[in-house]
Amino acid sequence: EAGVTQFPSHSVIEKGQTVTLRCDPISGHDNLYWYRRVMGKEIKFLLHFVKESKQDESGMPNNRFLAERTGGTYSTLKVQPAELEDSGVYFCASSLRTGRSLGTDTQYFGPGTRLTVL
Amino acid sequence: DQQVKQNSPSLSVQEGRISILNCDYTNSMFDYFLWYKKYPAEGPTFLISISSIKDKNEDGRFTVFLNKSAKHLSLHIVPSQPGDSAVYFCAASGGQGGKLIFGQGTELSVKP
Repeated sequence: EAGVTQFPSHSVIEKGQTVTLRCDPISGHDNLYWYRRVMGKEIKFLLHFVKESKQDESGMPNNRFLAERTGGTYSTLKVQPAELEDSGVYFCASSLRTGRSLGTDTQYFGPGTRLTVL
Repeated sequence: DQQVKQNSPSLSVQEGRISILNCDYTNSMFDYFLWYKKYPAEGPTFLISISSIKDKNEDGRFTVFLNKSAKHLSLHIVPSQPGDSAVYFCAASGGQGGKLIFGQGTELSVKP
């Protein structure tokens, strides 16, 4: 079974440009999460989709970030316009469902996209 | 305001000995705790979890202990192996929302 995949693995852009990150969750996983790790610090939650609906977007830093999950499959995270402080590693994770039963809520992470804004 | 803290950025242990990684939390609403392991250029990999109704969970060489009164959990790895060298993240969640709150990570180095 394929794991969570993310594209691209690296992106280097200039301040003011637009970048779109893509995440393909594990097939059949309704829950999709975006996280970000900045400068080797903690991994911070950005938002949570259940199928195509945004369940929780409390971690989104500002309105320069736009996440979508059309059709409830893959998701994109667009940063427009990018700022220097947006640099970091963006992780996507998916889980079968939330809830504690039988470990079906375990979040499986992708390899991340390293974004560098110059 | 960091709700999950790992105060040791790094830990070095001899192969075969015990590794103990610590984590503290402040939010009493957290009811589920996890440890993830991360190798360079990879995403975090789930290792072990514990519900707040338990105080210990064991899986092979890995044991997680939870002390709710102290708001403290620890991960014990016995015996430690060089392949265990990685960054270990403690994470917590509360309710059914699913979002994870992570600590800053502890880099474990197991020397042969």
